[in-house]
Amino acid sequence: DGGITQSPKYLFRKEGQNVTLSCEQNLNHDAMYWYRQDPGQGLRLIYYSQIVNDFQKGDIAEGYSVSREKKESFPLTVTSAQKNPTAFYLCASRRDRGSGELFFGEGSRLTVL
Amino acid sequence: GESVGLHLPTLSVQEGDNSIINCAYSNSASDYFIWYKQESGKGPQFIIDIRSNMDKRQGQRVTVLLNKTVKHLSLQIAATQPGDSAVYFCAENPLMSSGSARQLTFGSGTQLTVLP
Repeated sequence: DGGITQSPKYLFRKEGQNVTLSCEQNLNHDAMYWYRQDPGQGLRLIYYSQIVNDFQKGDIAEGYSVSREKKESFPLTVTSAQKNPTAFYLCASRRDRGSGELFFGEGSRLTVL
Repeated sequence: GESVGLHLPTLSVQEGDNSIINCAYSNSASDYFIWYKQESGKGPQFIIDIRSNMDKRQGQRVTVLLNKTVKHLSLQIAATQPGDSAVYFCAENPLMSSGSARQLTFGSGTQLTVLP
């Protein structure tokens, strides 16, 4: 079945460590997105990519990095520069870059110890 | 900055009753709106969408109403079931002055609880 796969589902990390969250889609969508969700809050855009080898900062990009070397993959690295990284991270894709619904993965919950 | 917001953070309804979840938006340039359902610990799922040239759209047990005059969006769920318990988000897709779309902006969500 087509969809978006995020891994790992749960991740623990010590302060000062970088961690990379995986996001893979087999929907042949051009655009991919990373959102952060904190308890009781909405989704905030971290980074997005509308085409391979190109990506743009969202509203809260500081302390994060991404790459888009393949259409199917859009990994997110949470760096040690991110001051409050504990959150639920959601990856999404969209068929067209400017319209239509987002398809979401099941999320990755990162906890910094 | 402009943002999407919700009138109520929580809503409790009796099983079998109809539910109405409201959303206010402030960007008059938005031309596309979506409702998502998010169950605990999972990613959001698409429920229904509506474009700004419409004021009503119906799906299976759900109806979305758009009032552009007062910038208000609502989601109506008929005959609410226990499986409808979740957080519901509205999202808007604002158009830039150039005519190209910006990215979706999400509200903070409403927790719907269905009581037995």
